[in-house]
Amino acid sequence: QKEVEQDPGPLSVPEGAIVSLNCTYSNSAFQYFMWYRQYSRKGPELLMYTYSSGNKEDGRFTAQVDKSSKYISLFIRDSQPSDSATYLCAMNGVSGNTGKLIFGQGTTLQVKP
Amino acid sequence: DARVTQTPRHKVTEMGQEVTMRCQPILGHNTVFWYRQTMMQGLELLAYFRNRAPLDDSGMPKDRFSAEMPDATLATLKIQPSEPRDSAVYFCASGLYTSGANVLTFGAGSRLTVL
Repeated sequence: QKEVEQDPGPLSVPEGAIVSLNCTYSNSAFQYFMWYRQYSRKGPELLMYTYSSGNKEDGRFTAQVDKSSKYISLFIRDSQPSDSATYLCAMNGVSGNTGKLIFGQGTTLQVKP
Repeated sequence: DARVTQTPRHKVTEMGQEVTMRCQPILGHNTVFWYRQTMMQGLELLAYFRNRAPLDDSGMPKDRFSAEMPDATLATLKIQPSEPRDSAVYFCASGLYTSGANVLTFGAGSRLTVL
């Protein structure tokens, strides 16, 4: 079983929809949770990150972490065709093998005009 | 903008040949990661360096893969001998890690095809 699980999709939504992307994880040592976006034939780029449990908002994007359930989410409001990409969750801990960043498989999102 | 530079961008080779991929991390970053991405497996961690020291290479097939950082401006990933199952996109990423989030900047990737 992988340390980080993410449904690869694909997920197809109409423009303007609210998108929910999710990951589950098994390692309780993870404390930092990130979302990366990857456009086709490009490297991943950081969208946002959160520490421990709670919410963080950045424009149309909201990241949520529920450490008790080992579950993280990324919400995209008013989705746009330019949001069409693969979204990867990633996480690292601060003890043991410090800073080792583990990624989920990525969810492919298509936003249709 | 500072960027991570990877070479080559594309490589087609025959089974059994040696392949070397190179990465120039961002100046001042202290961590370097090598990942392999395929449709089936997603992003798999191959090797992780901090301050040029290897911290983790548990995801790397040791019999054919090797990763090094001969100096702070160069990281290399070598496959010898290459096999068709090594066909993938290989990403190098660098970051400045202290004790918090390990925020990485990725290169554009090296797309490897082994025939």
